[in-house]
Amino acid sequence: SQQGEEDPQALSIQEGENATMNCSYKTSINNLQWYRQNSGRGLVHLILIRSNEREKHSGRLRVTLDTSKKSSSLLITASRAADTASYFCATGIIQGAQKLVFGQGTRLTINP
Amino acid sequence: DAGITQSPRHKVTETGTPVTLRCHQTENHRYMYWYRQDPGHGLRLIHYSYGVKDTDKGEVSDGYSVSRSKTEDFLLTLESATSSQTSVYFCAITHGTGTNYGYTFGSGTRLTVV
Repeated sequence: SQQGEEDPQALSIQEGENATMNCSYKTSINNLQWYRQNSGRGLVHLILIRSNEREKHSGRLRVTLDTSKKSSSLLITASRAADTASYFCATGIIQGAQKLVFGQGTRLTINP
Repeated sequence: DAGITQSPRHKVTETGTPVTLRCHQTENHRYMYWYRQDPGHGLRLIHYSYGVKDTDKGEVSDGYSVSRSKTEDFLLTLESATSSQTSVYFCAITHGTGTNYGYTFGSGTRLTVV
């Protein structure tokens, strides 16, 4: 079964608005990561937050992690048409070998 | 994609035939992974490797085998392809150490089993 559940499955907003995506997971983790996938391409690593961190920023990205609720959110501020993509959360499970368990993704569409 | 290539990029094969997909990396990474991506399922781990000749099963390993005879190559074999194995297959390597790591993915192989 999937470790990560993402919400919403699809999101459509106007350019310039902020986009928020959520991820919930089930088991203990050592980190949580977000990836972007453009249509027909491989996934690209965006940001990592470790289990002992609560918030992290990278450019227009802000990630929060609440380990008590087993949830994370990704905020993209001032969205651009180029942000149109699918976004996946992935949890680094504690069993090792640096394995990641991916959610099903959120399809984000930015309308001009 | 940062020293990781997959081949072929596209393949159509018939049910019952064996198929081998190749992942090649040039940066001497220890860990390599094979995932499949299907609508509604996200990415699911098939097999992974933590060194030459060291491999282990992932979540959806039935019908698949892997081999890693040298650091740079990780092969995924569908022993007898079925239509349920029609999917996009991604190889990945990790970069970073400890709990501070991320994946770099190949461009994927789109496999169709007819």
